[in-house]
Amino acid sequence: EADIYQTPRYLVIGTGKKITLECSQTMGHDKMYWYQQDPGMELHLIHYSYGVNSTEKGDLSSESTVSRIRTEHFPLTLESARPSHTSQYLCASSDLAGETQYFGPGTRLLVL
Amino acid sequence: GQQLNQSPQSMFIQEGEDVSMNCTSSSIFNTWLWYKQDPGEGPVLLIALYKAGELTSNGRLTAQFGITRKDSFLNISASIPSDVGIYFCAGHQNPGYALNFGKGTSLLVTP
Repeated sequence: EADIYQTPRYLVIGTGKKITLECSQTMGHDKMYWYQQDPGMELHLIHYSYGVNSTEKGDLSSESTVSRIRTEHFPLTLESARPSHTSQYLCASSDLAGETQYFGPGTRLLVL
Repeated sequence: GQQLNQSPQSMFIQEGEDVSMNCTSSSIFNTWLWYKQDPGEGPVLLIALYKAGELTSNGRLTAQFGITRKDSFLNISASIPSDVGIYFCAGHQNPGYALNFGKGTSLLVTP
């Protein structure tokens, strides 16, 4: 069973607020990822990291930013939330071989 | 990312029936993964396939990595109501790269 955690699980905020979605894993995985998923739709990669101080943008353009200061922690930040950011955000991690990714439970974000 | 074609899009079956879904890619993949996602939750890994031709089982689930390395299928035998959810195939051409996902197969099982 994967040990990857996301907080908060649910978040309702107003437009213009700054938010940070937390993701942490206790498996010592080097690689971490953020996906965005609208209800009933496929997952789209928005950010990934191959290790500390490494961050890259994914296939889907996103106004969010990420940081990787510690191996186990990969937070995602929205400086000014908008209704178009309403979605589910999923964090995942994999070991250095990267063959299998394990997902957290997700954060469901609603921006009013 | 590479587009994966997953079918069927949805299935509505009776308890006890077998289920089959598949995924195809226009490019060769080195890894195929099958996930199940319940509403409001993250995907949970069901089966991972690493070698062409590989056939792997996990309880009532069986998945195969196609010989051409461009497809994979997942079978569920004797379905039960808790099999309800969305099943995603995923794969990548190079380990460590982000996964490419199919659009999912929504499974409904009636008692």
